[in-house]
Amino acid sequence: GQSLEQPSEVTAVEGAIVQINCTYQTSGFYGLSWYQQHDGGAPTFLSYNALDGLEETGRFSSFLSRSDSYGYLLLQELQMKDSASYFCAGAGGATNKLIFGTGTLLAVQP
Amino acid sequence: DVKVTQSSRYLVKRTGEKVFLECVQDMDHENMFWYRQDPGLGLRLIYFSYDVKMKEKGDIPEGYSVSREKKERFSLILESASTNQTSMYLCASSLRQGAGETQYFGPGTRLLVL
Repeated sequence: GQSLEQPSEVTAVEGAIVQINCTYQTSGFYGLSWYQQHDGGAPTFLSYNALDGLEETGRFSSFLSRSDSYGYLLLQELQMKDSASYFCAGAGGATNKLIFGTGTLLAVQP
Repeated sequence: DVKVTQSSRYLVKRTGEKVFLECVQDMDHENMFWYRQDPGLGLRLIYFSYDVKMKEKGDIPEGYSVSREKKERFSLILESASTNQTSMYLCASSLRQGAGETQYFGPGTRLLVL
């Protein structure tokens, strides 16, 4: 089957660095995306890793290791506005549908 | 900017009613998706469409059907609503399929079935 697992909750303080992990089980996996969703809002695209390694976009970085079936989202210089749910998502297998992880609720404290 | 709109933010229906949720996108995207979001389960794909009049089942299609008569519009239909279909429903669109393709989401419809 295809599944992506994430920690349900992570707490960090303003200005800190936090890493949100995503482990997956799927065959023929093509890459990993990350989405952010504020409470009551729509998910919005953050990043995509097509290849192994680190992709950096401002304060956010995303990493993929396909040999380890593992990726993470790294948020630096945390701000209160980063409090949100974060979802990893991937496409793999015969259908190439996008499959979302279970989501991680990040709480940034002052 | 891509805009995806959904017909209602909140909806209350009774068990057995037929429910229509509509989604419209304005970016001429080929692909449209319907998800439901439940706490602890993330987003689960109900149906998607890669072209007008084309549809494919997602991971949880039971109890749902869809219609795509025009490229910009994708409707989700609950033929006979049940209480276990109480959920947040999210519509999305993308230019193409695949992990690298950005999906643009609508604001969601929170459906309560009594």
